[in-house]
Amino acid sequence: GNSVTQMEGPVTLSEEAFLTINCTYTATGYPSLFWYVQYPGEGLQLLLKATKADDKGSNKGFEATYRKETTSFHLEKGSVQVSDSAVYFCALRNNQGGKLIFGQGTELSVKP
Amino acid sequence: GAVVSQHPSRVICKSGTSVKIECRSLDFQATTMFWYRQFPKQSLMLMATSNEGSKATYEQGVEKDKFLINHASLTLSTLTVTSAHPEDSSFYICSARSEGETQYFGPGTRLLVL
Repeated sequence: GNSVTQMEGPVTLSEEAFLTINCTYTATGYPSLFWYVQYPGEGLQLLLKATKADDKGSNKGFEATYRKETTSFHLEKGSVQVSDSAVYFCALRNNQGGKLIFGQGTELSVKP
Repeated sequence: GAVVSQHPSRVICKSGTSVKIECRSLDFQATTMFWYRQFPKQSLMLMATSNEGSKATYEQGVEKDKFLINHASLTLSTLTVTSAHPEDSSFYICSARSEGETQYFGPGTRLLVL
């Protein structure tokens, strides 16, 4: 079946540190991949997405590249800020009308 | 981007009462709406998918008589938790999608059943 696995949190970083949150997936076919961010007490916001192999999604300094050979979609940011503190969810959808399948979420805490 | 609102944002009710949560897409027509439940520090669990004008499709293990979903129009879906009990306390999040691929999420409703 389809599934998404993220690195366990919490991840604690100092401001301006480099961030990587690992995400790997299992899916049939060629899924679309997403990263969502959830700030405390709020719903999810789409951060970035990629719909085919080798695509790079980017937004607000965050990037993730769709790697079919390693079935991965790792999230990276070169210099994190305190305001990036949130829970990050990796997700896939196997086809246009399919369901989003989420990873378990990774909590990021950035200290000044 | 597209906006999805939920109302109320927070509700406290007594055990045995019913609670209705509204989800609205504010600037687009949502052909499909989704309801999720999220427990503290856990991922989102899809409860049901609804298309406008048709019955909702519930995920395995979700009681359809307990969680009533109505997708009355292309901009409104409601979730009614009937005869709520303390174990129904959770964060409920709706999501809406038009004909494109992107799914937009509401801010969530925190339900506390006493």
